Amino acid sequence: AQSVSQHNHHVILSEAASLELGCNYSYGGTVNLFWYVQYPGQHLQLLLKYFSGDPLVKGIKGFEAEFIKSKFSFNLRKPSVQWSDTAEYFCAVSTNTNAGKSTFGDGTTLTVKP
Amino acid sequence: KAGVTQTPRYLIKTRGQQVTLSCSPISGHRSVSWYQQTPGQGLQFLFEYFSETQRNKGNFPGRFSGRQFSNSRSEMNVSTLELGDSALYLCASSRYLAGGTDTQYFGPGTRLTVL
Repeated sequence: AQSVSQHNHHVILSEAASLELGCNYSYGGTVNLFWYVQYPGQHLQLLLKYFSGDPLVKGIKGFEAEFIKSKFSFNLRKPSVQWSDTAEYFCAVSTNTNAGKSTFGDGTTLTVKP
Repeated sequence: KAGVTQTPRYLIKTRGQQVTLSCSPISGHRSVSWYQQTPGQGLQFLFEYFSETQRNKGNFPGRFSGRQFSNSRSEMNVSTLELGDSALYLCASSRYLAGGTDTQYFGPGTRLTVL
């Protein structure tokens, strides 16, 4: 069974600071990787996804993530955060044989101070 | 295109009662998955339905059940409610692509409070 670990539980940044949220997964086979965001009072929204190909994927709102297979990692980055990025961020993994079953990390709460 | 809809949005029940939650997937999506979100346990997979059949099941007791209808709409049922069942129940739908490169899209959830 796969598992996902998000190292940072709560990150506090000032506006314009750079962001990197860590995500590591454990699974020996082919995985699909996702980052979701949950803004206060809103539902889970997809930020970006990786299935195959270029390991650097770009998502919405200026976010990007890099898949490093050798490190089993899929870290999320943004060069300059805004106050509106304050939210909870979830890394998730599924497999090609169980694409409808995603395993989520515990989430990282990002607070951006204006 | 309309997103995933869930009804009701909020529910208050008492211990021992049962509850049914409903989920309408995005048009054309054939797979529906359910998740439980709590502050202590995070997001946990309950089950997945495709073509009216349960394809995957998480580690939840038998009190949690679900079904899917021919129009892909899904319901989940929780019987004999316990205080610990208080949570946000999320439904996600996906197209069910060959090769397994599915993306799940989530609904707003049903907030269940058990008193």
